[in-house]
Amino acid sequence: AQSVTQLDSQVPVFEEAPVELRCNYSSSVSVYLFWYVQYPNQGLQLLLKYLSGSTLVKGINGFEAEFNKSQTSFHLRKPSVHISDTAEYFCAVSEARGATNKLIFGTGTLLAIQP
Amino acid sequence: KAGVTQTPRYLIKTRGQQVTLSCSPISGHRSVSWYQQTPGQGLQFLFEYFSETQRNKGNFPGRFSGRQFSNSRSEMNVSTLELGDSALYLCASSLGPLVTDTQYFGPGTRLTVL
Repeated sequence: AQSVTQLDSQVPVFEEAPVELRCNYSSSVSVYLFWYVQYPNQGLQLLLKYLSGSTLVKGINGFEAEFNKSQTSFHLRKPSVHISDTAEYFCAVSEARGATNKLIFGTGTLLAIQP
Repeated sequence: KAGVTQTPRYLIKTRGQQVTLSCSPISGHRSVSWYQQTPGQGLQFLFEYFSETQRNKGNFPGRFSGRQFSNSRSEMNVSTLELGDSALYLCASSLGPLVTDTQYFGPGTRLTVL
Protein backbone atom coordinates (compact mmCIF):
# COMPACT_ATOMS: atom_id res chain seq x y z
CA ALA A 1 0.00 0.00 0.00
CA GLN A 2 1.09 3.56 -0.63
CA SER A 3 0.75 6.66 1.50
CA VAL A 4 1.59 10.34 1.13
CA THR A 5 2.58 12.84 3.80
CA GLN A 6 2.36 16.58 3.39
CA LEU A 7 3.68 17.87 6.69
CA ASP A 8 2.77 21.51 6.13
CA SER A 9 -0.95 22.21 6.21
CA GLN A 10 -0.34 25.86 5.39
CA VAL A 11 2.63 27.76 3.97
CA PRO A 12 2.58 31.56 4.17
CA VAL A 13 4.86 33.38 1.74
CA PHE A 14 5.24 36.88 0.37
CA GLU A 15 4.57 37.60 -3.28
CA GLU A 16 7.64 37.17 -5.52
CA ALA A 17 9.38 35.04 -2.88
CA PRO A 18 10.41 31.42 -3.59
CA VAL A 19 8.41 28.56 -2.13
CA GLU A 20 8.84 24.85 -1.50
CA LEU A 21 5.95 22.55 -0.63
CA ARG A 22 7.05 19.27 0.88
CA CYS A 23 5.81 15.81 0.00
CA ASN A 24 7.06 12.44 1.25
CA TYR A 25 5.68 9.09 0.23
CA SER A 26 5.80 5.51 1.41
CA SER A 27 5.52 2.48 -0.84
CA SER A 28 6.85 -1.04 -1.13
CA VAL A 29 6.64 -0.91 -4.93
CA SER A 30 7.65 1.54 -7.62
CA VAL A 31 5.43 4.59 -7.82
CA TYR A 32 4.40 7.44 -10.02
CA LEU A 33 4.10 10.85 -8.36
CA PHE A 34 1.83 13.81 -9.05
CA TRP A 35 1.13 17.33 -7.88
CA TYR A 36 -2.35 18.78 -8.29
CA VAL A 37 -3.65 22.27 -7.51
CA GLN A 38 -7.15 23.16 -6.36
CA TYR A 39 -8.33 26.74 -6.64
CA PRO A 40 -11.30 27.84 -4.49
CA ASN A 41 -14.58 26.22 -5.54
CA GLN A 42 -12.94 24.30 -8.35
CA GLY A 43 -11.80 20.77 -9.08
CA LEU A 44 -8.19 19.61 -9.20
CA GLN A 45 -5.78 20.50 -11.99
CA LEU A 46 -2.61 18.55 -12.75
CA LEU A 47 0.53 20.62 -12.22
CA LEU A 48 3.11 17.98 -13.05
CA LYS A 49 3.89 14.30 -12.82
CA TYR A 50 6.88 12.01 -12.48
CA LEU A 51 6.67 8.70 -14.31
CA SER A 52 10.31 7.92 -15.12
CA GLY A 53 13.46 9.48 -16.51
CA SER A 54 14.81 12.80 -15.32
CA THR A 55 14.17 13.34 -11.64
CA LEU A 56 13.53 17.05 -12.18
CA VAL A 57 10.07 17.57 -13.57
CA LYS A 58 8.78 20.86 -14.91
CA GLY A 59 5.10 21.65 -14.87
CA ILE A 60 2.67 24.40 -15.64
CA ASN A 61 2.67 27.90 -14.16
CA GLY A 62 6.42 27.83 -13.49
CA PHE A 63 6.33 25.00 -10.96
CA GLU A 64 8.86 22.18 -10.81
CA ALA A 65 9.40 19.17 -8.58
CA GLU A 66 12.30 16.84 -7.90
CA PHE A 67 11.92 13.12 -7.31
CA ASN A 68 14.35 11.82 -4.69
CA LYS A 69 14.10 8.07 -4.37
CA SER A 70 16.52 7.74 -1.47
CA GLN A 71 14.60 10.26 0.61
CA THR A 72 11.21 9.16 -0.79
CA SER A 73 10.36 12.77 -1.48
CA PHE A 74 8.79 14.78 -4.27
CA HIS A 75 8.94 18.42 -3.19
CA LEU A 76 7.29 21.15 -5.28
CA ARG A 77 9.09 24.43 -5.89
CA LYS A 78 8.56 27.77 -7.56
CA PRO A 79 11.26 30.46 -7.66
CA SER A 80 8.84 33.41 -7.47
CA VAL A 81 5.18 33.14 -6.51
CA HIS A 82 2.34 35.34 -7.66
CA ILE A 83 -0.84 36.19 -5.82
CA SER A 84 -2.71 34.02 -8.34
CA ASP A 85 -0.87 30.95 -7.00
CA THR A 86 -2.98 31.11 -3.86
CA ALA A 87 -4.60 27.67 -3.75
CA GLU A 88 -4.39 24.26 -2.11
CA TYR A 89 -1.78 21.89 -3.43
CA PHE A 90 -2.05 18.12 -3.26
CA CYS A 91 0.68 15.55 -3.71
CA ALA A 92 -0.48 12.13 -4.95
CA VAL A 93 1.03 8.72 -5.56
CA SER A 94 0.01 5.69 -7.56
CA GLU A 95 1.43 2.28 -8.10
CA ALA A 96 3.64 2.28 -11.17
CA ARG A 97 2.48 -0.01 -13.94
CA GLY A 98 -0.48 -1.08 -11.86
CA ALA A 99 -3.76 -1.98 -13.48
CA THR A 100 -5.54 1.03 -12.04
CA ASN A 101 -5.55 4.82 -12.20
CA LYS A 102 -6.29 5.13 -8.49
CA LEU A 103 -4.49 8.03 -6.83
CA ILE A 104 -3.60 8.24 -3.13
CA PHE A 105 -3.59 11.88 -2.07
CA GLY A 106 -1.86 13.73 0.73
CA THR A 107 -3.83 16.00 3.02
CA GLY A 108 -2.94 19.11 1.06
CA THR A 109 -0.95 22.29 1.67
CA LEU A 110 -2.62 25.67 1.52
CA LEU A 111 -0.31 28.19 -0.12
CA ALA A 112 -1.20 31.58 1.35
CA ILE A 113 0.47 34.41 -0.52
CA GLN A 114 0.71 37.82 1.08
CA PRO A 115 1.19 40.96 -1.01
CA LYS B 1 -13.31 20.92 -25.92
CA ALA B 2 -15.66 20.96 -22.95
CA GLY B 3 -14.31 19.82 -19.62
CA VAL B 4 -15.70 17.32 -17.16
CA THR B 5 -19.25 18.21 -16.17
CA GLN B 6 -20.81 17.28 -12.86
CA THR B 7 -24.45 17.74 -11.98
CA PRO B 8 -25.86 19.00 -9.79
CA ARG B 9 -23.22 21.34 -8.39
CA TYR B 10 -24.92 21.63 -5.01
CA LEU B 11 -27.31 19.31 -3.22
CA ILE B 12 -28.97 19.32 0.17
CA LYS B 13 -30.48 16.11 1.50
CA THR B 14 -31.65 14.80 4.86
CA ARG B 15 -30.45 11.72 6.70
CA GLY B 16 -31.88 8.49 5.37
CA GLN B 17 -32.51 9.79 1.87
CA GLN B 18 -30.63 8.61 -1.19
CA VAL B 19 -28.85 10.68 -3.81
CA THR B 20 -27.56 10.24 -7.36
CA LEU B 21 -24.71 12.30 -8.74
CA SER B 22 -23.83 12.52 -12.41
CA CYS B 23 -20.54 12.93 -14.26
CA SER B 24 -20.08 13.56 -17.98
CA PRO B 25 -16.47 12.99 -19.04
CA ILE B 26 -14.53 14.86 -21.67
CA SER B 27 -15.53 13.72 -25.15
CA GLY B 28 -13.53 10.65 -26.12
CA HIS B 29 -12.57 9.77 -22.55
CA ARG B 30 -13.59 6.27 -21.52
CA SER B 31 -12.32 6.15 -17.94
CA VAL B 32 -14.07 7.79 -15.01
CA SER B 33 -13.03 7.85 -11.36
CA TRP B 34 -14.80 9.25 -8.32
CA TYR B 35 -13.30 10.78 -5.18
CA GLN B 36 -14.78 12.07 -1.93
CA GLN B 37 -13.21 15.17 -0.41
CA THR B 38 -13.85 16.12 3.22
CA PRO B 39 -11.94 18.39 5.63
CA GLY B 40 -11.30 15.49 7.97
CA GLN B 41 -10.38 12.66 5.61
CA GLY B 42 -9.11 14.62 2.62
CA LEU B 43 -9.40 13.11 -0.84
CA GLN B 44 -10.40 9.46 -0.87
CA PHE B 45 -10.85 7.19 -3.86
CA LEU B 46 -14.35 5.80 -4.36
CA PHE B 47 -14.48 3.93 -7.67
CA GLU B 48 -12.95 3.62 -11.09
CA TYR B 49 -14.79 2.68 -14.29
CA PHE B 50 -13.60 1.86 -17.77
CA SER B 51 -15.81 0.71 -20.61
CA GLU B 52 -18.79 0.23 -18.27
CA THR B 53 -16.80 -2.04 -15.92
CA GLN B 54 -15.83 -1.20 -12.36
CA ARG B 55 -12.11 -1.86 -12.17
CA ASN B 56 -11.40 -0.76 -8.64
CA LYS B 57 -13.32 0.25 -5.54
CA GLY B 58 -12.20 2.18 -2.50
CA ASN B 59 -12.83 1.36 1.12
CA PHE B 60 -16.38 2.66 1.41
CA PRO B 61 -19.52 0.91 2.65
CA GLY B 62 -21.94 -0.76 0.27
CA ARG B 63 -24.22 2.28 0.48
CA PHE B 64 -21.93 3.84 -2.10
CA SER B 65 -22.39 2.47 -5.59
CA GLY B 66 -21.80 3.58 -9.11
CA ARG B 67 -22.10 2.70 -12.75
CA GLN B 68 -20.92 3.77 -16.15
CA PHE B 69 -23.02 3.92 -19.29
CA SER B 70 -22.09 3.07 -22.86
CA ASN B 71 -21.50 6.76 -23.62
CA SER B 72 -18.96 6.83 -20.73
CA ARG B 73 -21.16 9.00 -18.54
CA SER B 74 -21.10 7.85 -14.95
CA GLU B 75 -23.38 8.08 -11.95
CA MET B 76 -22.76 7.40 -8.32
CA ASN B 77 -25.46 6.68 -5.80
CA VAL B 78 -25.42 6.95 -2.03
CA SER B 79 -28.30 5.31 -0.19
CA THR B 80 -29.41 5.88 3.39
CA LEU B 81 -27.47 9.10 3.71
CA GLU B 82 -25.58 9.84 6.93
CA LEU B 83 -24.33 13.18 8.22
CA GLY B 84 -20.77 12.04 7.53
CA ASP B 85 -21.53 11.74 3.82
CA SER B 86 -21.47 15.52 3.55
CA ALA B 87 -18.57 16.18 1.21
CA LEU B 88 -17.41 17.42 -2.15
CA TYR B 89 -17.66 14.57 -4.64
CA LEU B 90 -15.20 14.87 -7.50
CA CYS B 91 -15.24 13.04 -10.77
CA ALA B 92 -12.19 12.66 -13.02
CA SER B 93 -12.00 11.42 -16.59
CA SER B 94 -9.11 10.16 -18.69
CA LEU B 95 -8.64 8.65 -22.12
CA GLY B 96 -7.83 5.23 -20.80
CA PRO B 97 -7.54 3.22 -17.59
CA LEU B 98 -3.85 3.69 -16.95
CA VAL B 99 -2.56 6.08 -14.32
CA THR B 100 -0.21 7.50 -16.94
CA ASP B 101 -3.27 8.86 -18.74
CA THR B 102 -3.79 12.36 -17.36
CA GLN B 103 -6.92 12.64 -15.25
CA TYR B 104 -9.05 15.77 -15.64
CA PHE B 105 -11.24 16.67 -12.69
CA GLY B 106 -14.66 18.24 -12.73
CA PRO B 107 -15.70 21.06 -10.35
CA GLY B 108 -17.44 18.61 -8.04
CA THR B 109 -20.85 18.20 -6.46
CA ARG B 110 -21.12 19.57 -2.95
CA LEU B 111 -23.47 17.36 -0.95
CA THR B 112 -24.81 18.55 2.39
CA VAL B 113 -26.67 16.07 4.56
CA LEU B 114 -28.87 17.57 7.29
